[in-house]
Amino acid sequence: DIQMTQSPSTLSASVGDRVAITCRASHSISTWLAWYQQKPGKAPKLLIYKASTLETGVPSRFSGSGSGTEFTLTINSLQADDFATYYCQQYDNYWTFGQGTKVEI
Amino acid sequence: EVQVVESGGGLAQPGRSLRLSCIASGFRFDDYAMHWVRQDPEKGLEWVAGINWNGGSKGYADSVKGRFTISRDNAKNSVFLHMNSLRAEDTALYYCVKDVGGDYVANYFNHWGQGTLVTVSS
Repeated sequence: DIQMTQSPSTLSASVGDRVAITCRASHSISTWLAWYQQKPGKAPKLLIYKASTLETGVPSRFSGSGSGTEFTLTINSLQADDFATYYCQQYDNYWTFGQGTKVEI
Repeated sequence: EVQVVESGGGLAQPGRSLRLSCIASGFRFDDYAMHWVRQDPEKGLEWVAGINWNGGSKGYADSVKGRFTISRDNAKNSVFLHMNSLRAEDTALYYCVKDVGGDYVANYFNHWGQGTLVTVSS
């Protein structure tokens, strides 16, 4: 099984900040990585796939990078609507998710 | 608009069974693989089972293999999860999820339902 580890678990930030979330895979997954955003009481929403491709309709302040075992989700100029929990997911070998990073005020 | 709506959750005793249903709309259902993913506060998000576009290929997480069965009815735009021999650790919110492709291969997910809650307790 491929394990996914996110850091930090919680991130405190302010509107306008630039934030970065890291996701590490236990084995190389090339760029078979997606990022999802989840708000309380809602289903996860796809933000980025193939490590760096923005899903249609997702604001350009979101970006993804990385390959192999280390990946980063960056949010430039954090907006109030961005306070949520973010998950990475590998889809190289079945599907596993990171434990989540909560971005809070 | 793509919509995915789950039903069938509820309270079940350990060892008993439940069947979850998911009905989809807004896309050509028989072109896409579908999955079930569950979420609980302790274990986070866990992929449970997946099925390809025509039901000919299926897969399961080790934690449910032999107890859960995924199936689909393309005529009714529906996918099901038959859960047998339920355990307390199966307690979670179960999401029905649309794949971006049709084959049961590594792809990501682009639409999620709102989930149906399964509680396993005596």
